[in-house]
Amino acid sequence: DSGVTQTPKHLITATGQRVTLRCSPRSGDLSVYWYQQSLDQGLQFLIQYYNGEERAKGNILERFSAQQFPDLHSELNLSSLELGDSALYFCASSVAEGEQYFGPGTRLTVT
Amino acid sequence: QQQVKQSPQSLIVQKGGISIINCAYENTAFDYFPWYQQFPGKGPALLIAIRPDVSEKKEGRFTISFNKSAKQFSLHIMDSQPGDSATYFCAASLVDSSYKLIFGSGTRLLVRP
Repeated sequence: DSGVTQTPKHLITATGQRVTLRCSPRSGDLSVYWYQQSLDQGLQFLIQYYNGEERAKGNILERFSAQQFPDLHSELNLSSLELGDSALYFCASSVAEGEQYFGPGTRLTVT
Repeated sequence: QQQVKQSPQSLIVQKGGISIINCAYENTAFDYFPWYQQFPGKGPALLIAIRPDVSEKKEGRFTISFNKSAKQFSLHIMDSQPGDSATYFCAASLVDSSYKLIFGSGTRLLVRP
């Protein structure tokens, strides 16, 4: 158990809908990273927050957004969902540079 | 420049054998190289990591070998066990304020009993 929690574990929704994925980092970790894992793209970095501020953006679509709250939990919002958004979404947290600990992920299925 | 190339895609090893997975990178700005292990239905778990000022790091049965001049690094799993059967990902981290991880494509390891 990495100490990073993610909810929900599974999410099934229809195209065009909007969903919110939630992540609670390990106690004391200020950085939260979001990654997408799909069969064709592998593990891809989406976005990072550090202590409430956006720190870096990767291959994140404009339909996706994220935020980190004062209690350090983070939410990833996915809107206007398409079939191709079906993937595993992982949150990772770190206190020191590099050592990222991943949560169990949220499996999103868009039908 | 941002890619990390990983090989082989899949690997079958007999119990007790040595599993070797290789990764190569182009961007010399990378300064942190972790390996992650992922079981089906689980998140990637940090296994072992190395920085470029060290040529080798060993933790139990897992060893990272790092060749800075060749821009290559590899994971060796000694005395491989069926419980090691999983997907392994190498990654590299950029020297900037984010330390976001760039992942290799993964290697599916099967250790036969």
